[in-house]
Amino acid sequence: EPEVTQTPSHQVTQMGQEVILRCVPISNHLYFYWYRQILGQKVEFLVSFYNNEISEKSEIFDDQFSVERPDGSNFTLKIRSTKLEDSAMYFCASTGQVNEQYFGPGTRLTVT
Amino acid sequence: GNSVTQMEGPVTLSEEAFLTINCTYTATGYPSLFWYVQYPGEGLQLLLKATKADDKGSNKGFEATYRKETTSFHLEKGSVQVSDSAVYFCALTPASGNTGKLIFGQGTTLQVKP
Repeated sequence: EPEVTQTPSHQVTQMGQEVILRCVPISNHLYFYWYRQILGQKVEFLVSFYNNEISEKSEIFDDQFSVERPDGSNFTLKIRSTKLEDSAMYFCASTGQVNEQYFGPGTRLTVT
Repeated sequence: GNSVTQMEGPVTLSEEAFLTINCTYTATGYPSLFWYVQYPGEGLQLLLKATKADDKGSNKGFEATYRKETTSFHLEKGSVQVSDSAVYFCALTPASGNTGKLIFGQGTTLQVKP
């Protein structure tokens, strides 16, 4: 069964450093998403991406964040200058139909 | 705005007990409603969904009915197993401007004891 994959599973970085979280969505999917879950809190929408552009973003997704689909298979989330409060689990999701999203296993980001 | 509220957890049950996890939502129009499950150390998996009023979603013995009149989508299972221990998330996608984003509730942890 096809699945969404994410790398790395755990990333530790120092405050102020740039990080790139990588995702490989399911190959024939067209819509891509990033969500985050701060420990003990709800899963929050960050951004949706369709047809090579952002289709919607939340207020969390400020200028420090960017997304890219560089090569037709990967979908990346970049945080330009990490803050302590960026520590969270980041989930990538994709869908071929808008009503059924498939999630990756997540990347745990720890900012020290 | 759009929001989802779930019952507080954790919920602890004995094996074969009946499960209900309450979920209510606030949204305009007719959002699509979902239950996702997160097993320990894993990502979120779609458990079931309903896209219009009075629809019943079902999977693996779990059921939920889309109730427009009470804006609810409560999750039920007649007989839980230890393997059902997980975190359950209720979620919606808004009816309009739909880019497919999911709005989640806070999650309810279910622990089933043998």
